[in-house]
Amino acid sequence: DADVTQTPRNRITKTGKRIMLECSQTKGHDRMYWYRQDPGLGLRLIYYSFDVKDINKGEISDGYSVSRQAQAKFSLSLESAIPNQTALYFCATSDQGQGTYNEQFFGPGTRLTVL
Amino acid sequence: GQQLNQSPQSMFIQEGEDVSMNCTSSSIFNTWLWYKQDPGEGPVLLIALYKAGELTSNGRLTAQFGTTRKDSFLNISASIPSDVGIYFCAGPRLGSNYKLTFGKGTLLTVNP
Repeated sequence: DADVTQTPRNRITKTGKRIMLECSQTKGHDRMYWYRQDPGLGLRLIYYSFDVKDINKGEISDGYSVSRQAQAKFSLSLESAIPNQTALYFCATSDQGQGTYNEQFFGPGTRLTVL
Repeated sequence: GQQLNQSPQSMFIQEGEDVSMNCTSSSIFNTWLWYKQDPGEGPVLLIALYKAGELTSNGRLTAQFGTTRKDSFLNISASIPSDVGIYFCAGPRLGSNYKLTFGKGTLLTVNP
């Protein structure tokens, strides 16, 4: 079984709809991240969380919100989707242990299309 | 934010050839990570480097942490078709609170 799972894997929605992308992990990591990937722009950080009570904005948080429901679950919401939010979305996790805390492990991604 | 410059942007090689790619920055990094992304999948961590000058191998892959701490190199020996994908470098800038900066990737195509 995959250590980091994301649902759904693909989603097509319309402008103005609310969308939630979910991420679950079985790695026991405290830190979780949401990225979006666009052609030519690479991976950009949307939000990150170092534990259940800690939520931080990344580079491109406008138009997004997150919820850390438990150590293992981190959800990303688009309150009112717009076409330029069409992208690949990745969840990632990392351990807070010494020496390896920078190593992030990614889920398989969600391909979101906003029409 | 500070970017990592990866080169080349893309490579087309024949099966069996060796491949080299690199990542540079004007900022110092205390860790360098190399990832591979297959089409439709998430990035997979290949190699992590933690010390300047460090040379680490993972099968046919070898990566080095540059001595200036501002660059890193990834080599793939005897390439095979399944090496196809996008290779990313990444690292946390000093003082960045463990947030990773990613390069834009090198797209590798291997012709059988």
